[in-house]
Amino acid sequence: DIQMTQSPSTLSASVGDRVTITCRASQSISSYLAWYQQKPGKAPKVLIYKPSSLESGVPSRFSGSGSGTEFTLTISSLQPDDFATYYCQQYYSYPNTFGQGTKLEIK
Amino acid sequence: EVQLVESGGGLVQPGGSLRLSCGASGFTFNTYIMNWVRQAPGRGLEWISCISSTGTIYYADSVKGRFTISRDNAKNSLYLQMNSLRAEDTAVYYCARRVGLGLLDTWGQGTLVTVSS
Repeated sequence: DIQMTQSPSTLSASVGDRVTITCRASQSISSYLAWYQQKPGKAPKVLIYKPSSLESGVPSRFSGSGSGTEFTLTISSLQPDDFATYYCQQYYSYPNTFGQGTKLEIK
Repeated sequence: EVQLVESGGGLVQPGGSLRLSCGASGFTFNTYIMNWVRQAPGRGLEWISCISSTGTIYYADSVKGRFTISRDNAKNSLYLQMNSLRAEDTAVYYCARRVGLGLLDTWGQGTLVTVSS
């Protein structure tokens, strides 16, 4: 199985900050990666896939990059609505594993 | 509106069984790969199973041999039969639609399964 490792596990930041979350795969997954945002008590919501294509309706302050084994999710200017937990997921092979999550907290 | 609605969760004793359902609406159900993803309390997301439109099935090792995924395209429904349940199966179970590129673009609201005596 492909292991997905996110860093950091927790990130404290302020409104207006630029933040980056990293996701590393245990083997190459080409570009078969998606990022999800989850708020407490809610289902995850897809933000980015492939891994730099923005899902419809997602603000342009979100961006993704990477290929192979290393990927990043960047939020260019944090807004209050962005404080949530973020997960990467590979869909290169089954099982389609998720990273352990990065909780983005208000500083 | 594209929608997924899970049902069937509840409290079950260790070793027991439970069947989850997921009703789909607003899209052509029989053309999509459907997935189950779970989340234990306070933990991250765990992909557990999927089934293609033609019945090809995959499972995570953690549920293989105990859980069975199925679908009824005529009823626009996805199912998860869970047997030999363990305390570590306690989680919110989500059904999710996979689109062609591989991402899970639509999720249900989740149903809570609690395995406890």
